[in-house]
Amino acid sequence: DGGITQSPKYLFRKEGQNVTLSCEQNLNHDAMYWYRQDPGQGLRLIYYSQIVNDFQKGDIAEGYSVSREKKESFPLTVTSAQKNPTAFYLCASSRDSGRDETQYFGPGTRLLVL
Amino acid sequence: GENVEQHPSTLSVQEGDSAVIKCTYSDSASNYFPWYKQELGKRPQLIIDIRSNVGEKKDQRIAVTLNKTAKHFSLHITETQPEDSAVYFCAASQGGSYIPTFGRGTSLIVHP
Repeated sequence: DGGITQSPKYLFRKEGQNVTLSCEQNLNHDAMYWYRQDPGQGLRLIYYSQIVNDFQKGDIAEGYSVSREKKESFPLTVTSAQKNPTAFYLCASSRDSGRDETQYFGPGTRLLVL
Repeated sequence: GENVEQHPSTLSVQEGDSAVIKCTYSDSASNYFPWYKQELGKRPQLIIDIRSNVGEKKDQRIAVTLNKTAKHFSLHITETQPEDSAVYFCAASQGGSYIPTFGRGTSLIVHP
């Protein structure tokens, strides 16, 4: 599980504020993902990217934005349009091939609203 | 799209007992079924996976079975230990570049 990092570990957001969560991987993986985890809800997909400069909406993309300017980086911005942002956010990466679909997760960022 | 149902949501067992977690999926094209374990406050990690060309796979005390006809797969943990306490997630995908769909998770509690 080494090789994929997230920062910060805890993040506090004020009303109307945009905040950005960092995700970096040095596994040379093509695909990267952002999930939101709430108690009893499992892992819900926010956005994913399979190549640089391209990304797709997941099941709950509203109020979030991403960029993929570099292969190793996939930051997530939680905008003021996301009315209930308090959750645990997990970033993941995978090789995106038929030989190894294992998703490797980062340690997560817990976002709290002040 | 794919829909994955996972049961039970909570499972409490005594140390040494067996534990079984079941998942069903809806898309018959799914052919890759991983299981992830998430200990409290930590990241999910892959513990075992199975592809649709096999019916069962074992790794020490854990095993996964797959019934393609019924579209369900299960995780079996034998001789449970307190360190098995965690949330377990199943997932299903068509493999390759397809995005996996996760179940809602099962919280397994193993009492010493």
